[in-house]
Amino acid sequence: KNQVEQSPQSLIILEGKNCTLQCNYTVSPFSNLRWYKQDTGRGPVSLTIMTFSENTKSNGRYTATLDADTKQSSLHITASQLSDSASYICVVEGGANNLFFGTGTRLTVIP
Amino acid sequence: EADIYQTPRYLVIGTGKKITLECSQTMGHDKMYWYQQDPGMELHLIHYSYGVNSTEKGDLSSESTVSRIRTEHFPLTLESARPSHTSQYLCASSEWRFFHFGNGTRLTVT
Repeated sequence: KNQVEQSPQSLIILEGKNCTLQCNYTVSPFSNLRWYKQDTGRGPVSLTIMTFSENTKSNGRYTATLDADTKQSSLHITASQLSDSASYICVVEGGANNLFFGTGTRLTVIP
Repeated sequence: EADIYQTPRYLVIGTGKKITLECSQTMGHDKMYWYQQDPGMELHLIHYSYGVNSTEKGDLSSESTVSRIRTEHFPLTLESARPSHTSQYLCASSEWRFFHFGNGTRLTVT
């Protein structure tokens, strides 16, 4: 069964600290893995897209890694800001635009 | 930000009412999608379209219907709303592997 699992479910960190979010998937075939940020009351916004051959990709303070062998990905946020408070959703495309969504990690950054 | 718009943002209606959720995009994308998202849950695909006059049902069964008469417009209709339809509905469009999401419509049926 094609599944995307994220951990932790929720996370609270102090402003300025780093954090890492995890994503494990069982989607096959695999086309690419995406990380989205979804602010409350908004639609998801793409942070990174990684294909099979890409191990790491950065977007500002966000760095995503992908291990296609173990089917794991992580999203590392450096020097967190209050505006980073959001849900972070891992999405795996299994081909033909079939997207499989994780339930997200709810990140809260506190002053 | 991507040019994909959903209206209304919030809607509270009574049981049995007919409603249409609007979704428009100005990017000329052929592929458009409707997702349903409940709090703390993943997005579920309920409808998609690969072009004008093309509509398909998604993975999650839904009592809603969609139409695609124009490329830029992909409305979703509920003929008779029920409390079980209370949810957030997200519209998206895509070109190649790039998806763009609208900000959603939060629907509450009382």
